[in-house]
This record gives sequence, C-alpha cells and structure tokens, in this order.
Amino acid sequence: GQQVMQIPQYQHVQEGEDFTTYCNSSTTLSNIQWYKQRPGGHPVFLIQLVKSGEVKKQKRLTFQFGEAKKNSSLHITATQTTDVGTYFCAPRIYNQGGKLIFGQGTELSVKP
Amino acid sequence: DGGITQSPKYLFRKEGQNVTLSCEQNLNHDAMYWYRQDPGQGLRLIYYSQIVNDFQKGDIAEGYSVSREKKESFPLTVTSAQKNPTAFYLCASTGGSYNEQFFGPGTRLTVL
Repeated sequence: GQQVMQIPQYQHVQEGEDFTTYCNSSTTLSNIQWYKQRPGGHPVFLIQLVKSGEVKKQKRLTFQFGEAKKNSSLHITATQTTDVGTYFCAPRIYNQGGKLIFGQGTELSVKP
Repeated sequence: DGGITQSPKYLFRKEGQNVTLSCEQNLNHDAMYWYRQDPGQGLRLIYYSQIVNDFQKGDIAEGYSVSREKKESFPLTVTSAQKNPTAFYLCASTGGSYNEQFFGPGTRLTVL
C-alpha cells in the first residue's frame, strides 16, 4: 500500500527544548490529519490540514502543510512532560476511497 | 457518553485458538476500522467497513475476519491462520467535523 515516511522514529528531549516531526509522501495528498497517542492509550485527533502551505497553531503546537501537499510537519515549542507520547501523521491519498494512511509515528520522550 | 468501547482490555489465548475482539460504538458513525499496532510500526489497517453488511480488506487482512451486521458493532476474529497474532488491536470509527477517526481504548492480545 501507499507508504508514508515519518521521521524521526524516536526523539528524546530535555524539558523546554523544541521538537519537530516530519511526514513525507511521494504522492500528492488530499489532506492530512495528526494524532497523538499517550503511552498505554489510544490515538486522539489533533488537527487537519487541507490547503497548500497551510499553517495552524494550537498553543505550543504548530502544524504545517507543504506547498506541494506532499509533506507536513508538527513543531512543539518548549516541550513539557505532558507532551510525551507518539505523534502520528495520517494523510488521505487521492483516489484511495478516503482512507487514512498512518505514518509510523514519532515517539517523543521528555526529560524533566 | 458517546464513544467506542472495546473489550476486553487484555486477552490471553493459546496458540491455535480463534478469538473474537469486540468493538461497539454509539456515535452513529457509518464507517468503522480495525488496526493492528506493533512497536515501531505505527497503525496497520486490517479491515474496514463503510456501511452495514459491507466490509473491505485492509493492508494486512490475512488471518483475520470481520462482520458488520449492525451499525454499532464491528467484531474482529483473529483466526489460527494469523501467524503472529500477539499485538495491540485498535478499533475506530469515522465522523466529526473533519471526518476524523475516533478510537476505542484497544485490546492487547497475547497468544501463548
């Protein structure tokens, strides 16, 4: 099936440092969603990006959609221990019946 | 409260036995999904159903079966043909403003 590359796979940061995860596709994306899964929990929807070059912010989280709609990023400013978890991108691919394709996820750990 | 329930949270089975995982939703969503999650591999789609009495194979359907006789219910059977069934299984449905996925709490299956 369609592959989505998400990097890095793991990221360990000191509390207060910034964090970024990237999601890349070789195929043009219809839109992209981001999810967060806390340790031992289930994924929870964060946001959806639709337009080329779109930027959305949620407090310390900034989400970007690339101009070519083939990549996206999530940036967290000044991480806190509550940010710990795995972040997944989930794009919708054109002509794939509206299914979401989940990336491998980036596992973030934050050292206090 | 509206949501998705999965039971049980932990399940142990002997090798060679079929086992059925429960997924129920009261969100009135048409589409439902089953994912498998293994460490470092993100979410992989097993089966999905866009409407009652209809379902399609996902990327890793071999060794699994589903039914969708009611809108609220989408049970997954892990058969003895599944070579490596030990994993975390997540059920989801699609709805909301962004057609996002709502996940159940998951069932952790261990085959001994």
